[in-house]
Amino acid sequence: ETGVTQSPTHLIKTRGQQVTLRCSSQSGHNTVSWYQQALGQGPQFIFQYYREEENGRGNFPPRFSGLQFPNYSSELNVNALELDDSALYLCASSPEGVNIQYFGAGTRLSVL
Amino acid sequence: KQEVTQIPAALSVPEGENLVLNCSFTDSAIYNLQWFRQDPGKGLTSLLLIQSSQREQTSGRLNASLDKSSGRSTLYIAASQPGDSATYLCAYRSNDYKLSFGAGTTVTVRA
Repeated sequence: ETGVTQSPTHLIKTRGQQVTLRCSSQSGHNTVSWYQQALGQGPQFIFQYYREEENGRGNFPPRFSGLQFPNYSSELNVNALELDDSALYLCASSPEGVNIQYFGAGTRLSVL
Repeated sequence: KQEVTQIPAALSVPEGENLVLNCSFTDSAIYNLQWFRQDPGKGLTSLLLIQSSQREQTSGRLNASLDKSSGRSTLYIAASQPGDSATYLCAYRSNDYKLSFGAGTTVTVRA
C-alpha cells in the first residue's frame, strides 16, 4: 500500500472532450509526478509539481495541464482528447527530501 | 529517443528456474535506478532501488546490480514461482527528478 489514491479507475471519453484525473497523496508528500503509459510501453513523464508549482515537464503538448493543491491532492487535465491519449495515467508522489516515488494504481482512460 | 532498453521483451520459464532481466541506459549521470513490478492493468510496485553510489541491492529472492560505467543493471530472481509472473520495469532518475522507464520485460513462470 503506497498511500497514493487515483480516481476514477476507468474512464471512457470521446475525441475532442476534456477530462480531469485526480490523485490523492499522503500528508507531507510535496512532490507529485504524472506519467502516461500506453499499452505495451513504459510510462512516459508528463510533468511534476512541487509545492503547487510545476517544476518539470516532458514532451507533452500544452493541452496536458495540472494542478497541485495544499491538501496533497493533484489533478491532471487533458483538453481536446485524441485517440492516442488512450492510456494508463499514473500519479506518483514523494515526501520532502526523499528520492523515492510512490505510485498509485492508475486511471485507465479510453478515448473513442 | 530510446533512453532505457530492456532485454528480453518477454520471457517464459518453468517454475524453479532463476530469472535474469537486463536493463541498459544511455545517461551516465543517473541519480538512482529502480526496478518495478507491474501486474496486468495495474500500477507499479517498487521492488528495489539502487543509489548511484551502490553496486547492488537485495531483497529476499531478488537481487539487482548496477554498473554505471557500462550503463547496465540486472535483476535476478531466484527460484521463480508462478506468482512472479508480471511485467518488470526498470527506471532511472536523473538530477531533474523525473523517472525514465524502459518498456519492460514480461515474465511468465509456468507451473
